[in-house]
Amino acid sequence: DQQVKQNSPSLSVQEGRISILNCDYTNSMFDYFLWYKKYPAEGPTFLISISSIKDKNEDGRFTVFLNKSAKHLSLHIVPSQPGDSAVYFCAASFNTNAGKSTFGDGTTLTVKP
Amino acid sequence: SQTIHQWPATLVQPVGSPLSLECTVEGTSNPNLYWYRQAAGRGLQLLFYSVGIGQISSEVPQNLSASRPQDRQFILSSKKLLLSDSGFYLCAWSVGTYYGYTFGSGTRLTVV
Repeated sequence: DQQVKQNSPSLSVQEGRISILNCDYTNSMFDYFLWYKKYPAEGPTFLISISSIKDKNEDGRFTVFLNKSAKHLSLHIVPSQPGDSAVYFCAASFNTNAGKSTFGDGTTLTVKP
Repeated sequence: SQTIHQWPATLVQPVGSPLSLECTVEGTSNPNLYWYRQAAGRGLQLLFYSVGIGQISSEVPQNLSASRPQDRQFILSSKKLLLSDSGFYLCAWSVGTYYGYTFGSGTRLTVV
């Protein structure tokens, strides 16, 4: 059973527009949700996270929204830039000493100039 | 500053051969360490994690093993590789859940 799902394998947007990446989860006990960005042949890079007690966290062009009742989170990128083209992974974690994260399958974002 | 080193970047190994991937972290003490694997077109699957020297937890039954002989060294091993072991292996460290992982650059393993 996949606990974290990213149902859109790919997304294409025009430069300057908003990119919205979505993620759904099944376990209501997750404490933290995180987004990572990954370029080909590289390790993922941490972008932004949100605690389950919040519904929004913003960092520059990146904003993550959390809807606990729907078990849904989204990453908004405004404005989108060609350098944002990458695979974006959603992840969820429990607040334990081990800090393990469960990842979705990723969404490939393409930002067209 | 904290850095993580992972090598080799690519590896082609025959079925039945042994495996040893090494990961080292600099600039931090007592980090949590993780080995993940990414199959083609899929997400990251947690293989092993460690919260301290000699402490290894396995998430998925398989023919791989992990060891942490030093605080900032994490090793992924296999005695006999299978074709299904092919994938992109990532080492990561963390000092707090909320702050995410710092990943290494990964090892592309192809078992032939």
